[in-house]
Amino acid sequence: QKEVEQDPGPLSVPEGAIVSLNCTYSNSAFQYFMWYRQYSRKGPELLMYTYSSGNKEDGRFTAQVDKSSKYISLFIRDSQPSDSATYLCASFYNQGGKLIFGQGTELSVKP
Amino acid sequence: SAVISQKPSRDICQRGTSLTIQCQVDSQVTMMFWYRQQPGQSLTLIATANQGSEATYESGFVIDKFPISRPNLTFSTLTVSNMSPEDSSIYLCSVEEQDLTNYGYTFGSGTRLTVV
Repeated sequence: QKEVEQDPGPLSVPEGAIVSLNCTYSNSAFQYFMWYRQYSRKGPELLMYTYSSGNKEDGRFTAQVDKSSKYISLFIRDSQPSDSATYLCASFYNQGGKLIFGQGTELSVKP
Repeated sequence: SAVISQKPSRDICQRGTSLTIQCQVDSQVTMMFWYRQQPGQSLTLIATANQGSEATYESGFVIDKFPISRPNLTFSTLTVSNMSPEDSSIYLCSVEEQDLTNYGYTFGSGTRLTVV
């Protein structure tokens, strides 16, 4: 079993839709959770960082962590074609530690 | 956030040869990380490089295959040695960043390697 599981998609939605991206993880020791966006032929770009359980909002993006169910979510409101990318979730134990990535979900937002 | 420059951005190499990838950061950082992203797969950590000490390799990666240098706090190189087609991947370097309000790992744009 992979430590972080993510549905690879692809996921296709119309412009303006609410997008829900999800990951599960197996190691209860994980405390830090991140979402990265990766455009084609580019390196991953950090979108959201969350410590422990709870929600964090930044503009159209909301990250949610439920440690009781080991579930990580990223919501994108009013999705735009420019949001079309691969979204990667990642978890790790402590700062300076090893990032464990999910497989990534390929998202396409159609105009 | 830190700006990371990686060279080369892409290369096509013959099997049996070696390629050295450079990673330059615009600020001093303690730790630099090297990742591999194989086609259709996620990122996997190869090794962690601290200045002034030997790199720490993850399970499945060895120094003879992926030698790393870290001569100062802004620069590192990763060499992919004796390449085979299975080494065709994107190689990325990353640094840890933290300020008063945020924490994260920043990545370079990657080196796309094809071994023929």
